[in-house]
Amino acid sequence: GQNIDQPTEMTATEGAIVQINCTYQTSGFNGLFWYQQHAGEAPTFLSYNVLDGLEEKGRFSSFLSRSKGYSYLLLKELQMKDSASYLCVGNTGRRALTFGSGTRLQVQP
Amino acid sequence: DAGITQSPRHKVTETGTPVTLRCHQTENHRYMYWYRQDPGHGLRLIHYSYGVKDTDKGEVSDGYSVSRSKTEDFLLTLESATSSQTSVYFCAISDPDGGAKNIQYFGAGTRLSVL
Repeated sequence: GQNIDQPTEMTATEGAIVQINCTYQTSGFNGLFWYQQHAGEAPTFLSYNVLDGLEEKGRFSSFLSRSKGYSYLLLKELQMKDSASYLCVGNTGRRALTFGSGTRLQVQP
Repeated sequence: DAGITQSPRHKVTETGTPVTLRCHQTENHRYMYWYRQDPGHGLRLIHYSYGVKDTDKGEVSDGYSVSRSKTEDFLLTLESATSSQTSVYFCAISDPDGGAKNIQYFGAGTRLSVL
């Protein structure tokens, strides 16, 4: 199976750092994506990890450990506009993606 | 939105009626996908296409059919809509042959209500 698990909701404070974790069964994925989805809008691509380690892109970083079936998305210097759902997505390499249910992040002043 | 247009954006229909949703892209990507998104579920793949007239089923394909007669258009048809098909439908495109990442880009979505 290729279940993806991530927390349903998180709350954080503007200016702070938040880490959103994702765990998955280790078989079947060639890499892991993170997407952001604001309410009522389309998902948009944030990051992709295919090798173990940390990928940094501005305020956002994503980490992958393939042997542990674990990834996280790190958001620094949180802004109100970061309030959104964050989707952990497995790439099966057969042209299809497997989506987690998403973590709804609320950033408070 | 990476040149992806979904139409209509909103639709209300009655149980038993046929419904067709359209996805149009201007990126010339070979792969196109239809997903549905429901509360408590991640996006679930309905059907996808890997070229003109080449389509395959996803995990929730029952009750849906698709067609792709041109690279730029991918149609999703609900032959006889049911209330369980009330959902938000997203179209996505990708160009995996242009790189190994298979990044998918999404349209704005169609909100369908079946009464």
